[in-house]
Amino acid sequence: GQNIDQPTEMTATEGAIVQINCTYQTSGFNGLFWYQQHAGEAPTFLSYNVLDGLEEKGRFSSFLSRSKGYSYLLLKELQMKDSASYLCAPLDSNYQLIWGAGTKLIIKP
Amino acid sequence: GAVVSQHPSRVICKSGTSVKIECRSLDFQATTMFWYRQFPKQSLMLMATSNEGSKATYEQGVEKDKFLINHASLTLSTLTVTSAHPEDSSFYICSAPTGGDSYEQYFGPGTRLTVT
Repeated sequence: GQNIDQPTEMTATEGAIVQINCTYQTSGFNGLFWYQQHAGEAPTFLSYNVLDGLEEKGRFSSFLSRSKGYSYLLLKELQMKDSASYLCAPLDSNYQLIWGAGTKLIIKP
Repeated sequence: GAVVSQHPSRVICKSGTSVKIECRSLDFQATTMFWYRQFPKQSLMLMATSNEGSKATYEQGVEKDKFLINHASLTLSTLTVTSAHPEDSSFYICSAPTGGDSYEQYFGPGTRLTVT
């Protein structure tokens, strides 16, 4: 079957760095997305990885290892507005996004 | 980036009535749109894939006669929840890929449905 595994909740301090891990099992693979979702709002796009390695985009970076079925999202210089859920979503062989429950990130001052 | 709108953003209806939710791609054409439902603290659940000019494809366990989808144009898809019940209360979100080489989906702002 298809499965996404992320921590349910993480807590970090403003200004610090946090890494949110994701492991996945899908029927085929066509890349992996990370989305941010604030409470009561729709998800917004953060990153897309299709090749192994690290993609850096400002304060956010995303890493992918296809052989390990593993990805992480790295958030630097955390700000209070980064408090949200972070959704790891791989694309399966049908180019359909597979969604997990996401990781709720709580930022403390 | 591409913009997807949804209307209404919030709706409260009585049990047994029907509610229509609109999803529009504002600055691109979308031959495909996706409808999701999300209950509190749960993951997005794909309900159906809406295809312009043809029938929607429903996910297993989603009643097609209860959740009517119409994709009448390249910029508009509608989801009608028929004979709504309190258990249909949820956050309904549509999304659309811009197509081409991009698989990114742009999400509408969502519709909060409350059935009393």
